[in-house]
Amino acid sequence: NAGVTQTPKFQVLKTGQSMTLQCAQDMNHEYMSWYRQDPGMGLRLIHYSVGAGITDQGEVPNGYNVSRSTTEDFPLRLLSAAPSQTSVYFCASRVTSGSFYEQYFGPGTRLTVT
Amino acid sequence: KNEVEQSPQNLTAQEGEFITINCSYSVGISALHWLQQHPGGGIVSLFMLSSGKKKHGRLIATINIQEKHSSLHITASHPRDSAVYICAVRTQGAQKLVFGQGTRLTINP
Repeated sequence: NAGVTQTPKFQVLKTGQSMTLQCAQDMNHEYMSWYRQDPGMGLRLIHYSVGAGITDQGEVPNGYNVSRSTTEDFPLRLLSAAPSQTSVYFCASRVTSGSFYEQYFGPGTRLTVT
Repeated sequence: KNEVEQSPQNLTAQEGEFITINCSYSVGISALHWLQQHPGGGIVSLFMLSSGKKKHGRLIATINIQEKHSSLHITASHPRDSAVYICAVRTQGAQKLVFGQGTRLTINP
């Protein structure tokens, strides 16, 4: 299994540009999520999905869209990038059922918005 | 106040020292995770626990549910243990994790 994969690893955008961060997992996990990590702060949840066709907002959803058309893929879209979205983005997945699970993280995407 | 607080924020020690990182939380939880993030950025899960103690190699994690506190210990620390250690809790009835700010550990040879 490849686990959780993310592309690209690095990206530089100009303010106002749009882009999609890709995330895929091959473990048949129902639950997938996107986090951002900023200096001095813990990981913050942007959006999450409990299964194909179901998405919901996390703690910091503004400026981001997601969709979940398949179990495997959970792309994160920035519609109009802003410098405040400069961050490291992590995608994660896990099984949904049960209270005891392991969270798997992708390698991260380092995004800079100028 | 954050729901999950870690201490210390930064820790520097000499190789071989016994390391303790603390995590306190203010909400009811169903599970607590300890994660490790290496300088390259990748995050891996070290432990998940809801009671008692777990051990894996030189790493030991404990949790006291009544006191809402968990500790991560590293015995015989090594420079390769240098990383950011993150505590995260799954609140009762919720699907989401709440993360601490992380503890940056540096082990000098």
